[in-house]
Amino acid sequence: LAKTTQPISMDSYEGQEVNITCSHNNIATNDYITWYQQFPSQGPRFIIQGYKTKVTNEVASLFIPADRKSSTLSLPRVSLSDTAVYYCLVGERSGAGSYQLTFGKGTKLSVIP
Amino acid sequence: NAGVMQNPRHLVRRRGQEARLRCSPVKGHSHVYWYRQLPEEGLKFMVYLQKENIIDESGMPKERFSAEFPKEGPSILRIQQVVRGDSAAYFCASSVNRGREETQYFGPGTRLLVL
Repeated sequence: LAKTTQPISMDSYEGQEVNITCSHNNIATNDYITWYQQFPSQGPRFIIQGYKTKVTNEVASLFIPADRKSSTLSLPRVSLSDTAVYYCLVGERSGAGSYQLTFGKGTKLSVIP
Repeated sequence: NAGVMQNPRHLVRRRGQEARLRCSPVKGHSHVYWYRQLPEEGLKFMVYLQKENIIDESGMPKERFSAEFPKEGPSILRIQQVVRGDSAAYFCASSVNRGREETQYFGPGTRLLVL
């Protein structure tokens, strides 16, 4: 399974841009990179997914360098409500056909007023 | 615009009882995943089902746990003779398999507490 490594925690002030970097050195050719957000007592919420270069949606941007061994989630102008745990995942389709997501401990982002 | 729905949201059982967790996927999604999350841990894959078929149950304990996704109705994760170690949050996710990539949408989870 492709393993991901990301910082355990980060602090940021409201209104700042936050960049969370994740390393996935043994990502496979067909793997996509996905980020989820999870609030306490809730299920993970899909943020963004990408394969290479840059992906942007209304919530975040995802930057993936050419070697794809890392990725950076960028959250523009965070607010207090962005305080959550952010998971970087590399999906892997098993031989049985399932697309198993392997969640690590994630990055706990704390936004400070 | 219903997302993934799970019920009950909270379930308390005594050791030895059975727990039944239900998951209704996003309308039109035919793939369901179940994950378990222990406190302060990430989610761990348990089982992957398509309508009427278990495709991959490699993450599910061989004993006491079973899952189904019938042609009609929700997917059900069943835990027989629960033990305290089964206390966790159980999340269901649904998706549409697009081949190489797949986006899974998660429900709010069922928090199981075994006394």
